[in-house]
Amino acid sequence: DAGITQSPRYKITETGRQVTLMCHQTWSHSYMFWYRQDLGHGLRLIYYSAAADITDKGEVPDGYVVSRSKTENFPLTLESATRSQTSVYFCASSESRVSGKAYEQYFGPGTRLTVT
Amino acid sequence: AQRVTQPEKLLSVFKGAPVELKCNYSYSGSPELFWYVQYSRQRLQLLLRHISRESIKGFTADLNKGETSFHLKKPFAQEEDSAMYYCALTLYSGNTPLVFGKGTRLSVIA
Repeated sequence: DAGITQSPRYKITETGRQVTLMCHQTWSHSYMFWYRQDLGHGLRLIYYSAAADITDKGEVPDGYVVSRSKTENFPLTLESATRSQTSVYFCASSESRVSGKAYEQYFGPGTRLTVT
Repeated sequence: AQRVTQPEKLLSVFKGAPVELKCNYSYSGSPELFWYVQYSRQRLQLLLRHISRESIKGFTADLNKGETSFHLKKPFAQEEDSAMYYCALTLYSGNTPLVFGKGTRLSVIA
């Protein structure tokens, strides 16, 4: 199931460092998403993108930056990592609704990030 | 703002017992509801959606607009059903992002 991949799978970094999490999908899905998964909070949307060069904030965007220069890639950057950003990060993609397959999101395997 | 509530963080049932995972929502528009599942060491995946009215792995879910609920049910739990379950919703039209509940961990005891 290599359709959507994330790298690295595990990362330990120090407070204040910049970290970039990568997400790559091979389906040419128009939509891509970044979530963080935390105990007691479930899945919270950080940013999403409707197409290349189009991004929008989700529920918890502060401290994160995204870009989407190519349809297949959607990197997430923590500009100055904080301990509160320790989490599991999931990338997801989906087709646009007009294709008829209304909004099934396909998730990557996740990146476990620890900020010390 | 839209909100999805899953009141149980953890639900433990015995194998063969009925299962009901609760999901309530608040949304001003016409919602489209989903259940996603995350098995141990696997990625999240779609279990079912209300517009399909299908049964997947023995699970069903009916949208009750009067009670604003979308509870997930299975008549006889199996050990392999143990997983994290997330209820999610979006608007019926457009491409607004999914809003997820906080999840319920189902543990099926042999």
